[in-house]
Parts: sequence; structure tokens; C-alpha cells
Amino acid sequence: GDSVTQMEGPVTLSEEAFLTINCTYTATGYPSLFWYVQYPGEGLQLLLKATKADDKGSNKGFEATYRKETTSFHLEKGSVQVSDSAVYFCALKGSNSGYALNFGKGTSLLVTP
Amino acid sequence: SQTIHQWPATLVQPVGSPLSLECTVEGTSNPNLYWYRQAAGRGLQLLFYSVGIGQISSEVPQNLSASRPQDRQFILSSKKLLLSDSGFYLCAWSVNRNSYNEQFFGPGTRLTVL
Repeated sequence: GDSVTQMEGPVTLSEEAFLTINCTYTATGYPSLFWYVQYPGEGLQLLLKATKADDKGSNKGFEATYRKETTSFHLEKGSVQVSDSAVYFCALKGSNSGYALNFGKGTSLLVTP
Repeated sequence: SQTIHQWPATLVQPVGSPLSLECTVEGTSNPNLYWYRQAAGRGLQLLFYSVGIGQISSEVPQNLSASRPQDRQFILSSKKLLLSDSGFYLCAWSVNRNSYNEQFFGPGTRLTVL
């Protein structure tokens, strides 16, 4: 079945450092891919998405490119801020998975001043 | 614009007590609705989804149930809570018949069963 694997955290970075959070997936067909962010004590917010191969999703300085050849959707940001501290979830909507989104286990990011 | 509400925000209940969590969506009609649970240190688990009034699909067998009495209202219930029901419960919605199924989440309810 469809699945998402994220790098395990927590990830701790200094402010203005470069961020990469790895996400790889297993799916049949052509899934849609998402990154969600969860700030402490809150629900999930959609950060960005990509619906076909080679698409690049971007928002708030974050980017991720849908790489079908490597089945990856890594999240990157060139210069993180303290306010980026949160848990980041990679998610997949498979073409044959009905209504379910498959989520990774989440990666906790802590940015220190 | 669309908004999604959940209440209560936090809840502490004894084992064996009943549960009712409510979710409402504003600004859209005929949405797909979802209940997820997020246990401590784990990812999100889809519990139920609904594509219309009175239509509920269960993803995981458990002592929880869901109902959709109105188009934009989704309720999660239990007759007798277990310790293992503790967690963060998230309601979400998506546009019906959207093949990408981009889902939008509410603020969540933190449930502690003692």
C-alpha cells in the first residue's frame, strides 16, 4: 500500500541555517504530495503541495520538488527563523487510495536564536 | 472564506465515561469531512470520513463512532472511553470530488483519559 517515510527528528538548527527535511514515498500511479506544518498546540496547516512530477510547491520561503525518479518530496528552506519551529508532516494522496491522506510520522524542528 | 471549528479545545475524562467531540465547517457546502487521531510521538491516523449527510466510513475498528447529522457538522463519539483513547483529535475537510484531496484542518481537541 501507499506509505510515506520522513527523516526522524528532532532537528535542531541555528537561526538562518539551511533546512532540509527528507521525505520519500511509496505509491502506485501518480500521487499528490503535501507538506503540512503543526505549530505547538495547534492543528495542521497546509504548507505546500505538488500534484504531478517535477512540480515545485513553495510557500513562506519553503520549497519542495516532486521527484518521481527518486520518489521524493524533500522540504527545504534557505534560512530558517525561530518562528519556523514546529512539526512538519509529509503526506500523500494516492491515485487509488480513496479519500485517505497517508501521513509520515512528522519531523520536529527547533530553531534556536 | 472557509473556517473549521472544533470544541472543546481540551477535555479530561475518566475511563468508562462517554465522549462527544464536535466539528463544524463554515463557508462551504457538501464538504468531505474527516476525523484523525494523533497519539503522542506518532503520526496521524485517519479514523472516519464522510462524503455526505449520514454517510460514514470507518478506517480503523475501535470503540469510537462518528455521525454527520448536518451537512457541515461532524461528531465523534464514544459510549465508554479507554485509556488508549487519549490523544489529539483533529477534524478536517476537503472539497468534494477534488481528486487531489487537499485537506484543511481544525485546531484540534486534546483528550486525556484518566
